[in-house]
Amino acid sequence: NAGVTQTPKFQVLKTGQSMTLQCAQDMNHNSMYWYRQDPGMGLRLIYYSASEGTTDKGEVPNGYNVSRLNKREFSLRLESAAPSQTSVYFCASSEPRDYPYEQYFGPGTRLTVT
Amino acid sequence: AQSVSQHNHHVILSEAASLELGCNYSYGGTVNLFWYVQYPGQHLQLLLKYFSGDPLVKGIKGFEAEFIKSKFSFNLRKPSVQWSDTAEYFCAVILFNTDKLIFGTGTRLQVFP
Repeated sequence: NAGVTQTPKFQVLKTGQSMTLQCAQDMNHNSMYWYRQDPGMGLRLIYYSASEGTTDKGEVPNGYNVSRLNKREFSLRLESAAPSQTSVYFCASSEPRDYPYEQYFGPGTRLTVT
Repeated sequence: AQSVSQHNHHVILSEAASLELGCNYSYGGTVNLFWYVQYPGQHLQLLLKYFSGDPLVKGIKGFEAEFIKSKFSFNLRKPSVQWSDTAEYFCAVILFNTDKLIFGTGTRLQVFP
């Protein structure tokens, strides 16, 4: 039982390049989330998915797109990376029926945009 | 908008000192409260959570937190810290019947031997 996995662990992009961050969970959770972590700002929600096939914007969605292709996987895409997107990205999952919705986090992806 | 405040941004302690990290939230309704810990280079792990019952909650590694509804607070405590407690600590809130966590900005704890 791997929990929540993320790839890649590290990535360096040039401004304007695109990439997709992958996330998968093996806990049969319905809800999945993408956060970014910046110094002094805690974790901020980018997008979330309450169930397969649905996605909603979080607090900081601009510049990102997501895709929930199946129950296990939730990807985050940067179409045209900007230096402001340099951050650590965390994926998380939870099961809405398991009140109070504890979220389980992946190991993170450290992204640098130059 | 709902928010979570952690007023201690950086705390430095010697081993065996007592720890209290503050957490306040701004929401008048029912909430569920969490403390997460992030050890250097690792992902977030749940330390403890409160959703009902006894307002004094015990978590892993000797941590505890007290929910004081009248003060909108959920402070984290440990009577005697160890060097291995060096980490970043995040308070988080879920509003009743929602599934979105609202995080505080985190407190960086450094413990020196």
